[in-house]
Amino acid sequence: AQKITQTQPGMFVQEKEAVTLDCTYDTSDQSYGLFWYKQPSSGEMIFLIYQGSYDEQNATEGRYSLNFQKARKSANLVISASQLGDSAMYFCAMRDNYGQNFVFGPGTRLSVLP
Amino acid sequence: GAVVSQHPSWVICKSGTSVKIECRSLDFQATTMFWYRQFPKQSLMLMATSNEGSKATYEQGVEKDKFLINHASLTLSTLTVTSAHPEDSSFYICSALTQDPISSYNEQFFGPGTRLTVL
Repeated sequence: AQKITQTQPGMFVQEKEAVTLDCTYDTSDQSYGLFWYKQPSSGEMIFLIYQGSYDEQNATEGRYSLNFQKARKSANLVISASQLGDSAMYFCAMRDNYGQNFVFGPGTRLSVLP
Repeated sequence: GAVVSQHPSWVICKSGTSVKIECRSLDFQATTMFWYRQFPKQSLMLMATSNEGSKATYEQGVEKDKFLINHASLTLSTLTVTSAHPEDSSFYICSALTQDPISSYNEQFFGPGTRLTVL
């Protein structure tokens, strides 16, 4: 069975600084996908970044980058130059190769301080 | 990205009534849709997988007779909470799976969610 662990229930970061949100995963699949989503107070799930298990380079999307360490089974999200609008819940998720099994971590609440 | 809508965005109902939530893929066809439930300050939990033209697959612990799922077309799945009770109050989120016919790569797009409050 797949499992996602996010050990930081809450994080604070000063505006304009970088922050790393931790995510570790457990799976017996060889092929899988890792995702990060942002959920503001409105509730919508906003896709941030994706990393495939066979991707050799870490994924980047604007201010978001994913620090993928396959051997350690970790997929940490790095947000550079934090903005006040980044304050939200952040979920790490994993999907198997068939796309039929999507598992979310418990989430990390990020608060950006002015 | 692809757009998924949900209706209604919020609903308040009396205990014992049934509530229907619609999930639509607006610009693509989705043979597979997912229904999630999210309690306050918790993560999303998959309730069921909805496949067009067939019965939904429910996760362990989810009552199929209480949470009726119908995926009648390639763009619409509905979740009906029957005989709702206060403990059913939650945020319900659907997602739809796209699939590239050439590469078979698939992606999941989420609806904006429906907040259900049962009095």
